[in-house]
Amino acid sequence: DAGITQSPRHKVTETGTPVTLRCHQTENHRYMYWYRQDPGHGLRLIHYSYGVKDTDKGEVSDGYSVSRSKTEDFLLTLESATSSQTSVYFCATSGGSYNEQFFGPGTRLTVL
Amino acid sequence: AQSVTQLGSHVSVSEGALVLLRCNYSSSVPPYLFWYVQYPNQGLQLLLKYTSAATLVKGINGFEAEFKKSETSFHLTKPSAHMSDAAEYFCAVSPLGGGGNKLTFGTGTQLKVEL
Repeated sequence: DAGITQSPRHKVTETGTPVTLRCHQTENHRYMYWYRQDPGHGLRLIHYSYGVKDTDKGEVSDGYSVSRSKTEDFLLTLESATSSQTSVYFCATSGGSYNEQFFGPGTRLTVL
Repeated sequence: AQSVTQLGSHVSVSEGALVLLRCNYSSSVPPYLFWYVQYPNQGLQLLLKYTSAATLVKGINGFEAEFKKSETSFHLTKPSAHMSDAAEYFCAVSPLGGGGNKLTFGTGTQLKVEL
């Protein structure tokens, strides 16, 4: 599996505060993704990146922004957290020929 | 747009029984297909993938899946369930070609294995 770490692993924050989640990979994969996982919804793509400084929106991007200044790091920012953003967030990377993705361990975020 | 449907959000089997998790895809061209497993409080782990090389694909932990174009299906099976197979399983689809094409995931099937 790709070496993918996420930090923090758990976070509790209050409504209206900014939050940044970090994804770090050691596989030199070009593509990186942020998902959120909620019961009954499976995984939904928030944003993705196809290279340094190249990012695009996924299906649930409202209220989120991303940045990628280095190949190995992909940051997800909740500009002003809301309770609806309480979720488990997963980072994934892809660099193979068949689009298979490799996932990090996840970050559990609670917005009070 | 591509999509996948997983029939049955919860499946329960006895230990030693056959495991069958269903996945149907919607695509005009046979795509790449994947099965992932997620154990509690962990990320998703790739079980197996279909890339058009062979219709019967073997994966890790004794799982396999068969691609059936006529039925647009990619069901996951294991001959004999083990307690350690209890987890959530996700089917996913991607267009052909590399280049980081996005995956579309099903909503998951929770597998329970009973003694």
